[in-house]
Amino acid sequence: DGGITQSPKYLFRKEGQNVTLSCEQNLNHDAMYWYRQDPGQGLRLIYYSQIVNDFQKGDIAEGYSVSREKKESFPLTVTSAQKNPTAFYLCASSIRARGNTGELFFGEGSRLTVL
Amino acid sequence: AQSVTQPDIHITVSEGASLELRCNYSYGATPYLFWYVQSPGQGLQLLLKYFSGDTLVQGIKGFEAEFKRSQSSFNLRKPSVHWSDAAEYFCAVGAPGAGSYQLTFGKGTKLSVIP
Repeated sequence: DGGITQSPKYLFRKEGQNVTLSCEQNLNHDAMYWYRQDPGQGLRLIYYSQIVNDFQKGDIAEGYSVSREKKESFPLTVTSAQKNPTAFYLCASSIRARGNTGELFFGEGSRLTVL
Repeated sequence: AQSVTQPDIHITVSEGASLELRCNYSYGATPYLFWYVQSPGQGLQLLLKYFSGDTLVQGIKGFEAEFKRSQSSFNLRKPSVHWSDAAEYFCAVGAPGAGSYQLTFGKGTKLSVIP
């Protein structure tokens, strides 16, 4: 079945450590996105990528980094510069970023807790 | 830039009762509109979407939504709620023709269902 796979589902990190969240999709979608979700805050866009080897900052990119070396993969690194990294992280994809209806398909999420 | 407001943070209904979740958007033209549902610790699942045409849209799980341009609203309805509908619901708005496509999400409405 086609879909988006995020791993790990739960991750614990000590302060000062970088951590990388994996996102893989087999939907052949061009665009991929990372959102952060905090209680009562809805979803906030961290980074998005419309095509391989290109990505743009979203609304809350500080303290995060991404790469898009392959169409199906869009890993997110939460760096030690992120002041409040404990959150639920959602990866999503869409068919095309330009001119489409914009429907997003989501993974199951990764919960990061900083100890 | 577009925005979306979900005025109700938390709604409680009895099983079998009708449901209406409110969503108001801000956008200069006809937007793309979506409702997503999220169970605890899970990703988001698309319930329904509106792009153009008939303003009453049918979705999965017996949900429907009506686009009212004059009120800038896209309220979600269900005639009879089931206990399994307890979840968090997100309204989202997108801007057709934008140079880079992103959805803007509301902060969500948590639905509790009383047996």
